[in-house]
Amino acid sequence: DGGITQSPKYLFRKEGQNVTLSCEQNLNHDAMYWYRQDPGQGLRLIYYSQIVNDFQKGDIAEGYSVSREKKESFPLTVTSAQKNPTAFYLCASRGAWRGEQYFGPGTRLTVT
Amino acid sequence: AQSVTQPDIHITVSEGASLELRCNYSYGATPYLFWYVQSPGQGLQLLLKYFSGDTLVQGIKGFEAEFKRSQSSFNLRKPSVHWSDAAEYFCAVGERGNEKLTFGTGTRLTIIP
Repeated sequence: DGGITQSPKYLFRKEGQNVTLSCEQNLNHDAMYWYRQDPGQGLRLIYYSQIVNDFQKGDIAEGYSVSREKKESFPLTVTSAQKNPTAFYLCASRGAWRGEQYFGPGTRLTVT
Repeated sequence: AQSVTQPDIHITVSEGASLELRCNYSYGATPYLFWYVQSPGQGLQLLLKYFSGDTLVQGIKGFEAEFKRSQSSFNLRKPSVHWSDAAEYFCAVGERGNEKLTFGTGTRLTIIP
């Protein structure tokens, strides 16, 4: 089945530690996205990538980093510089010519 | 810059009643418009989309939406809601050649028996 997978579903980390969230897609989509979701704030774009080895900052990129070494994979690292990392993180992808994005199931990150 | 407003944070509807969720956007040209649904703790699922053509679009799960350019609106409707429709609904807007979508803050739908 084609789709987007995110792992793990739940992630717990201590403050000051970096953590990497996984996102994989087998839809052969060129573009991939990372969003952060907080209650009452909708989705906010962290980073996006239109092609392998290229990515752009979104609206709230500070404290986050990404890589795009393969078309299928777009991991997100939440660094210790992110002041408030506890949130629900969603990965999405988009085909080459369609406007809609398809979402993975999300990862809930809790930092204490 | 694009913006999307969902004026209703929370709506409660009786099962079997009709539903309309409001979405207003701010954009200069003809946008791409989308409605997504999210169950608690899950990702977003695409309900329907508008790119061009017929302004009334049909989606999955019996939902439809109407694009009204004069009102800058793309309201979501369903003639009779089911308990399983309880979720959060997001409107989003994009544009040709722009890789990004702008999302509204969502409307939480509660269904009462």
